[in-house]
Amino acid sequence: DVKVTQSSRYLVKRTGEKVFLECVQDMDHENMFWYRQDPGLGLRLIYFSYDVKMKEKGDIPEGYSVSREKKERFSLILESASTNQTSMYLCASSLGGRNEKLFFGSGTQLSVL
Amino acid sequence: GESVGLHLPTLSVQEGDNSIINCAYSNSASDYFIWYKQESGKGPQFIIDIRSNMDKRQGQRVTVLLNKTVKHLSLQIAATQPGDSAVYFCAENEYGNKLVFGAGTILRVKS
Repeated sequence: DVKVTQSSRYLVKRTGEKVFLECVQDMDHENMFWYRQDPGLGLRLIYFSYDVKMKEKGDIPEGYSVSREKKERFSLILESASTNQTSMYLCASSLGGRNEKLFFGSGTQLSVL
Repeated sequence: GESVGLHLPTLSVQEGDNSIINCAYSNSASDYFIWYKQESGKGPQFIIDIRSNMDKRQGQRVTVLLNKTVKHLSLQIAATQPGDSAVYFCAENEYGNKLVFGAGTILRVKS
């Protein structure tokens, strides 16, 4: 079975802290994505990566960065967390090429106080 | 990019009845559509997808209908069960771009 694993289900951080959200997939997928999910706003794309060491900005990259040092791992970094980054963060992966089907992790609910 | 929207934010159905969840899309160039189910506390799970060269596709208890003329997508769930209670998202994709998601519809199944 396809598996996308996010390291934390719940996380509470203070304003100004540096936050790392980790995501690992075991399917040898080329593409990996980070979304945030907020009530009434649906899923919004933060960053994505089509290859190792490659990253592209999504629709809302401000305040975030990413790292993809290995094919299976895609990290989302909040350099200085702010309260408006309190959200559910979802990692996803897809096979690559024309295969758009995303497989999602269970999500990390981040609260910034 | 253009957005994908939903007609009904909440749908309540009786157990055993059929459910129909609707989705309007605005990008006429979109050629791939997908439905996800998200249960409370979990990530979205793939349900079914369809390409624009089809107007209907069936899965296990689910059917997706695509009407390109009016840019409308629907998900039909037959014999709805309590385990079907979740938020359902549609998403669209134009070749070369990324999936664009709708805001979601809540499906509540009454026993």
